[in-house]
Amino acid sequence: DQQVKQNSPSLSVQEGRISILNCDYTNSMFDYFLWYKKYPAEGPTFLISISSIKDKNEDGRFTVFLNKSAKHLSLHIVPSQPGDSAVYFCAARSNAGNMLTFGGGTRLMVKP
Amino acid sequence: NAGVTQTPKFRILKIGQSMTLQCTQDMNHNYMYWYRQDPGMGLKLIYYSVGAGITDKGEVPNGYNVSRSTTEDFPLRLELAAPSQTSVYFCASSYWQGILNTGELFFGEGSRLTVL
Repeated sequence: DQQVKQNSPSLSVQEGRISILNCDYTNSMFDYFLWYKKYPAEGPTFLISISSIKDKNEDGRFTVFLNKSAKHLSLHIVPSQPGDSAVYFCAARSNAGNMLTFGGGTRLMVKP
Repeated sequence: NAGVTQTPKFRILKIGQSMTLQCTQDMNHNYMYWYRQDPGMGLKLIYYSVGAGITDKGEVPNGYNVSRSTTEDFPLRLELAAPSQTSVYFCASSYWQGILNTGELFFGEGSRLTVL
């Protein structure tokens, strides 16, 4: 059973528009959520995170929203740029230690 | 500024062979991890270590072994390779002292392993 799910395997967006990537989780013990970005033939790199005590965190073009009651988080990218084309992984950390559980990833394609 | 370094980047193994994936980090991180990523799937935790001399199983440990004799190194050993172990393997590290840390993981570039 997947504790972290990204139900959209891919998303295509026009340059300049908003990209919204979604993630759902089932474990109420998760206390921290992170988004990672991955280019082909590279390791994942950290993008943005949010603590479970907050509902929004913003960093430049990237904003993460957390809805604890729905066990749902989303990543908004505004405006989207072609360089944002990558696979995005949602990850969640249990308060029992610093181990991350990853979702299956969403491939974002930003068209010029 | 090396970060997390994995070797080799690519390897082809025959069924039943053994090999070790090397991982080293120069950030003095206490936590180290091995994940595998199968096509179209997320990353699954194989083993992790919270410090030198301490290792523990993750979600998918069968067929693998690890050791952590130093803070810097965390090799992953595959014994009796099987086609199901064909995957991309990522080593990662983090510095974590409790819930006040963000505990961000830093990843290596990955090792692509094919078992034929």
